[in-house]
Amino acid sequence: AQSVAQPEDQVNVAEGNPLTVKCTYSVSGNPYLFWYVQYPNRGLQFLLKYITGDNLVKGSYGFEAEFNKSQTSFHLKKPSALVSDSALYFCAVRAHNSNSGYALNFGKGTSLLVTP
Amino acid sequence: ETGVTQSPTHLIKTRGQQVTLRCSSQSGHNTVSWYQQALGQGPQFIFQYYREEENGRGNFPPRFSGLQFPNYSSELNVNALELDDSALYLCASSSVGFYEQYFGPGTRLTVT
Repeated sequence: AQSVAQPEDQVNVAEGNPLTVKCTYSVSGNPYLFWYVQYPNRGLQFLLKYITGDNLVKGSYGFEAEFNKSQTSFHLKKPSALVSDSALYFCAVRAHNSNSGYALNFGKGTSLLVTP
Repeated sequence: ETGVTQSPTHLIKTRGQQVTLRCSSQSGHNTVSWYQQALGQGPQFIFQYYREEENGRGNFPPRFSGLQFPNYSSELNVNALELDDSALYLCASSSVGFYEQYFGPGTRLTVT
């Protein structure tokens, strides 16, 4: 089974400081990894993905993520946080087996709070 | 905003009733997936449709069923509603050859 874990329920950071939201994964074979963001009462917005290639992936709104195979991690980062980045962040891994098609398996989410 | 739309936005049903939720996929996308997101949880995969056929299913009972139409829009049907079915239901569209899925705004279902 393919799964991700987000060890932090909440991350607090001051505006202008760097932020990191952690994600570790467990897969058989090569992982396809994703980050999504969810604002209150909204659907999920795609931020970035890792499929293959460069371990540092750049995405929307200044976010980036670092794929680390030895640590089985895919942490989301941003050099300078904005108050508007406050939201719920989900890490996901794509399943691919005969039962699950191309389903995304999500972590439980990490709430990011950026304070002025 | 993605081009994925869902209707209705909110819905209140009584236990035992049936409900149909609708989704229009983003232009050019031929695959639709449905997810259930309970309060405080990550989305859970219900099933996926590709070219009008179910292409994969998560750990949900048969009273959760779906359809995909020739224009790639989709329906999620839930029979014999239970209180635990109260959740945000998300539809996501994608296209073969692309890995990410694009989500609609969701339908908030409340079962009383």
